Amino acid sequence: DQQVKQNSPSLSVQEGRISILNCDYTNSMFDYFLWYKKYPAEGPTFLISISSIKDKNEDGRFTVFLNKSAKHLSLHIVPSQPGDSAVYFCAASAPGAQKLVFGQGTRLTINP
Amino acid sequence: NAGVTQTPKFRILKIGQSMTLQCAQDMNHNYMYWYRQDPGMGLKLIYYSVGAGITDKGEVPNGYNVSRSTTEDFPLRLELAAPSQTSVYFCASSYPGASSYEQYFGPGTRLTVT
Repeated sequence: DQQVKQNSPSLSVQEGRISILNCDYTNSMFDYFLWYKKYPAEGPTFLISISSIKDKNEDGRFTVFLNKSAKHLSLHIVPSQPGDSAVYFCAASAPGAQKLVFGQGTRLTINP
Repeated sequence: NAGVTQTPKFRILKIGQSMTLQCAQDMNHNYMYWYRQDPGMGLKLIYYSVGAGITDKGEVPNGYNVSRSTTEDFPLRLELAAPSQTSVYFCASSYPGASSYEQYFGPGTRLTVT
């Protein structure tokens, strides 16, 4: 049972354009959502998060949107840069769980 | 701070051999985790610990064991290695009460069982 799903294994975007990565979840108890970025041969690093009481969180070029009724969140990167090429994981946590459930990841490639 | 460190970086095991993957963190985090990542898949939780002496199973614990005798260290033991355990293993840590549930990851150990 995949509670967090990233249905696009890969995404290719031109440099300077907007990258939109999507994530769906099934567990309505999830109250916190995170995005991680992973370069080859490195561990994932935290990028941005959002609480279920919000619908948007912004940090520089990165914005996460949460649509609770649709159980959907998205990560927007504007403008996209070559250094953004990486695998992006969506993750979610339920209250008090102190555990994260990860999606399968989306490989983002930024083309010059 | 070194953050989360993992050793070894790479290892090849023969079927039936055993080994321990080491993980250490110097951030005084109470919570530690072991994940595995298979190609094209997300991170699956193997075991986690909320403090020294306390461990619990995650999503895919079969074939693994853990111990947590100190806050800093959280080794993962593979007994009787099988090809299905070929994967990249990540250790992570976090501190309780972190409002963002953020976990800090080590660089990973790439394990091949042949």
